[in-house]
Amino acid sequence: QVQLQESGPGLVQPSETLSLTCTVSGYSISSGYYWGWIRQPPGKGLEWIGSIYHSGSTYYNPSLKSRVTISIDTSKNRISLKLTSVTAADTALYSCARGPDAFDIWGQGTMVTVSS
Amino acid sequence: DIQMTQSPSSLSASVGDRVTITCRASQDISNFLAWYQQKPGKVPKLLIYAASTLQSGVPSRFSGSGSGTDFTLTISSLQPEDVATYYCQKYNSAPFTFGPGTKVDIK
Repeated sequence: QVQLQESGPGLVQPSETLSLTCTVSGYSISSGYYWGWIRQPPGKGLEWIGSIYHSGSTYYNPSLKSRVTISIDTSKNRISLKLTSVTAADTALYSCARGPDAFDIWGQGTMVTVSS
Repeated sequence: DIQMTQSPSSLSASVGDRVTITCRASQDISNFLAWYQQKPGKVPKLLIYAASTLQSGVPSRFSGSGSGTDFTLTISSLQPEDVATYYCQKYNSAPFTFGPGTKVDIK
């Protein structure tokens, strides 16, 4: 059974870098598919942040592209997200998901608050 | 970039009613369209992909149709457990944009 688990700090200072990890179990990420990060501010809709293919190719939301880096670590079977220069507008539930086409398996998400 | 819109933004219907939600893309996305259900406090669940293919385990009262720019999600007989927000998403090419969502509740 494929499972995804997000982890990282729940509180980030304004202007600093948000760093999250998505650990995949039950599937080797080097075998295929693509992996995405999605976020949802409290009470608002879903925003696709970006995706990375098992080959390492990345695609980012144009509105976040200048601040986002998604990487893949096949040795640890995990995907990472870095978002720089965060503000209160980056406060959200951050989720990782697997995409053979659409996102068919999601992690439970991790809430990140940007505040001093 | 292609924009996704949904209508209505919210609806209220009775148990057993047929419910239809519309999603529109600003450009042709063929059938690269997914529908998700998100219940309060939960992450989204994939219902339909390729515009009309039901994800394994999803009740058959859910169906999807459409191609190109206009798509619909239909719940043939609304059940209490269907109270949720429904999102469409394009995935033909990046950015994989979500629609703004449609909130469904019971009248």
